[in-house]
This record gives sequence, C-alpha cells and structure tokens, in this order.
Amino acid sequence: AQSVAQPEDQVNVAEGNPLTVKCTYSVSGNPYLFWYVQYPNRGLQFLLKYITGDNLVKGSYGFEAEFNKSQTSFHLKKPSALVSDSALYFCAVRDGGYQKVTFGTGTKLQVIP
Amino acid sequence: SQTIHQWPATLVQPVGSPLSLECTVEGTSNPNLYWYRQAAGRGLQLLFYSVGIGQISSEVPQNLSASRPQDRQFILSSKKLLLSDSGFYLCAWSTGTSKGYNEQFFGPGTRLTVL
Repeated sequence: AQSVAQPEDQVNVAEGNPLTVKCTYSVSGNPYLFWYVQYPNRGLQFLLKYITGDNLVKGSYGFEAEFNKSQTSFHLKKPSALVSDSALYFCAVRDGGYQKVTFGTGTKLQVIP
Repeated sequence: SQTIHQWPATLVQPVGSPLSLECTVEGTSNPNLYWYRQAAGRGLQLLFYSVGIGQISSEVPQNLSASRPQDRQFILSSKKLLLSDSGFYLCAWSTGTSKGYNEQFFGPGTRLTVL
C-alpha cells in the first residue's frame, strides 16, 4: 500500500522569506512523487514531479522539491515567498506501475505581506 | 493543447434526486480518467478511475457510479443523492500509458450541495 503524509495543516511565512512545505511518503516500490497547488474553488494545478535522477526537482512558479530517499521525504521549497503563493498544496505519490495516485491531506500556505 | 471541461460548475439538488456530472477532455486520446471528491476544501478521495472505454475501477463503495461511454468522456452518476454526497467533485486526466509517472490534469470542478 502507498501513503503520503503532510504533517503541517498550515504554514505561515512572511513575504520574501524562504518557504518549505513538508511531505513524507511510503511505497513498496519506486516512488513517483508529485506536488500540486489549489487556489480557492479551483481544480488542482501540477507544480512538479520526481521520477528518477537528480534529487532536486525544479517546477513552475519558482518552486522546487528535494527528494530524500533515506528520509522518505519530498519537501516543497521556494527561496522567496510571494503573497500570490498563498494556496492549498498537495503532495501525491504513485507506486511505480499503478494508475492510482494517493494524495496527502493538503497544507494551507499563508504568505503574510 | 489539451483541455478538460466539467459541468455544471455548481449544482444544488434535493436528497433522493438523481445526479449526472460530465467531464470531457480535448486534445488527447486514450487518456486515463479520474473522479475525485474533495470535502471541506481538503483531502481528495479517489472515487473512480478508468483506463479505457467501459473500463471503470471503483475505489469506494457508495451510491455513486461512473461510466465512460466515449474515449474522452467520463460521467459520474447517482440514482439517489444523500446529504453526505455534498462536496467538490474533480475530474482529472493523465496520459494513458502503462507507466505511472505521468502527472494528472484537473478540471475546474463541480460544487455539489445536497439539501
């Protein structure tokens, strides 16, 4: 079985400061990891994914994520937060070969001006 | 480019009434299709997914059903709605391959309120 955990229900960060949204996962095979963002009353938008290779993945809107196999983590990061980054962020994992994706419960990011 | 449509955008239905939500994808062929429900603006619950016409996998036993009558059309239905069916319904698609690393693309969602 695969699972993903987002331990923080909400993250507050000041505009211009670096941000981190945490995610840990559990799979039996090789993980495929994803980050999505959701703005109010909208569908989810894909930000980035890790398949294999370089542990640091760069994505849309200046976001990046670091895959850490030993810690089974895939934290989302951004060097300098913008107020417009305020949204709900979802981490997701897919065990290689399966079509089903498991999503975390989401972390609300609040960037304070 | 690919686009995904969902309708209606919002829906208010009485308990016990039927439901039909439609999702269509343009600009791709043989996509994998998914229905999710999001309650209280948080976690996503996978309801159904489909890897081809007429092929539906159900993840959660409930009073909902799904059908895929055409390659790029995915329909969520219910014969009798319950109060607990209220939520935000999201349709998504991904490239239809046997490999699992393709991201999903989500539609704008349907807000369903059952009274």
